[in-house]
Amino acid sequence: EAQVTQNPRYLITVTGKKLTVTCSQNMNHEYMSWYRQDPGLGLRQIYYSMNVEVTDKGDVPEGYKVSRKEKRNFPLILESPSPNQTSLYFCASSFRFRTDTQYFGPGTRLTVL
Amino acid sequence: RKEVEQDPGPFNVPEGATVAFNCTYSNSASQSFFWYRQDCRKEPKLLMSVYSSGNEDGRFTAQLNRASQYISLLIRDSKLSDSATYLCAGEGTGRRALTFGSGTRLQVQP
Repeated sequence: EAQVTQNPRYLITVTGKKLTVTCSQNMNHEYMSWYRQDPGLGLRQIYYSMNVEVTDKGDVPEGYKVSRKEKRNFPLILESPSPNQTSLYFCASSFRFRTDTQYFGPGTRLTVL
Repeated sequence: RKEVEQDPGPFNVPEGATVAFNCTYSNSASQSFFWYRQDCRKEPKLLMSVYSSGNEDGRFTAQLNRASQYISLLIRDSKLSDSATYLCAGEGTGRRALTFGSGTRLQVQP
C-alpha cells in the first residue's frame, strides 16, 4: 500500500530534550516536506527536500533540522524543543515539485512542556 | 496578502443542501490547484484537482476562474459525512511546492 508513515504519532516532552520525528514514504517520491499546522494559521512549511542530500528551508525553519540521506526517509529533528513548537506536524511527499498531489503522513501531535 | 485565502467558516448547512466555497490566490502564474479534505486533526487528503476546464466527481465540482483568480468547490446534496475542513492549495512560489489556505470548515447537520 502506497503510504507516508510518521513516528511517533503522539509525543509529550520537556523543553530542551532533543527529539526526532521520523517520516518514510514507499512511493519513490523525490519531493518531501514537513509542515506544522496550528489553529488559524493553516499548514506552514518547515523544510523541504527535492532529492537525496538536497534540503532547504521553508517558511518556518527556526528550531528545526532535517536530513535526507535516503530517498524514502526524511526525519525532522528538534535539537532543543521549546513550548512554541507544540503543534501538529505532517510529513508529505510527491513525485514532482509543484504540479503534483502531495501525500500526507498521519501526523505527529507534539506537546513541549 | 496571503498567497491563498479562504473563508474559515464554519458553514453550517442541512443535509441535502448545496454549498460552495471559494478560495482566492495571488500567484497569477499558478497552473496547478487542488482541493484537500481534512477531518479533525487528521492528515489532509486530496479531494480533487482543479483543471482549467473544471472538474466534476460525483457530487463535487471544482472550478477555476483565472480572470478573478479564484477556485471554487461545489458540493451538492450534502451528507453528514461531508463534515470536514476543506483546504484549497495552489502552486507555490519560491520554496513551496504548494501553498495551502487555512481551510474552510463545513458542518452538515441532520
